[in-house]
Amino acid sequence: KAGVTQTPRYLIKTRGQQVTLSCSPISGHRSVSWYQQTPGQGLQFLFEYFSETQRNKGNFPGRFSGRQFSNSRSEMNVSTLELGDSALYLCASSRGTSVAQETQYFGPGTRLLVL
Amino acid sequence: AQSVTQLGSHVSVSEGALVLLRCNYSSSVPPYLFWYVQYPNQGLQLLLKYTSAATLVKGINGFEAEFKKSETSFHLTKPSAHMSDAAEYFCAVSEDQGAQKLVFGQGTRLTINP
Repeated sequence: KAGVTQTPRYLIKTRGQQVTLSCSPISGHRSVSWYQQTPGQGLQFLFEYFSETQRNKGNFPGRFSGRQFSNSRSEMNVSTLELGDSALYLCASSRGTSVAQETQYFGPGTRLLVL
Repeated sequence: AQSVTQLGSHVSVSEGALVLLRCNYSSSVPPYLFWYVQYPNQGLQLLLKYTSAATLVKGINGFEAEFKKSETSFHLTKPSAHMSDAAEYFCAVSEDQGAQKLVFGQGTRLTINP
């Protein structure tokens, strides 16, 4: 069974540009969550989607947005990039929404560098 | 608000020695607690989780953790370290079992000395 796939794996952008990251969950998984990982702030929750609906959102500015498609694939978009957006962006998928009953499986991440 | 504190950003042990990684949490409700491991250039892998069943939780790769409510702790242990255990370990908490939103600690980098 294929794991969570994230594309691209590496990305270099300049300040002010926008970027779109993609996440394909494990087959049969309908919940997708996104996290930002930086050396300074650690792992921070961005969004959670289930059946194309955003269920939770972390404390990030409106420049960060996301969506989920009917096939459960998810994208996140960051507009007007800032240097501080340089990070590893991790996607995780699970079958359902219960953190107690369902295990989150993480992808390898997309490493974004903003110059 | 829920939070997690991992004591020690770096821990170094000898191969074959006990591994102890410390995690304390803050939560206003009975929490769900997790330990994840991250190897270089990889995502996170779940080691174990506490969901209010047994307080001693056994996970993969010989790791286990004990939930101690009185100490608000969820320390991770392994009796005998292997070189392959070198990685970064994250403790996480969730208060909402209906959501997949985790609050992570800052992580502990484990080094194994031969």
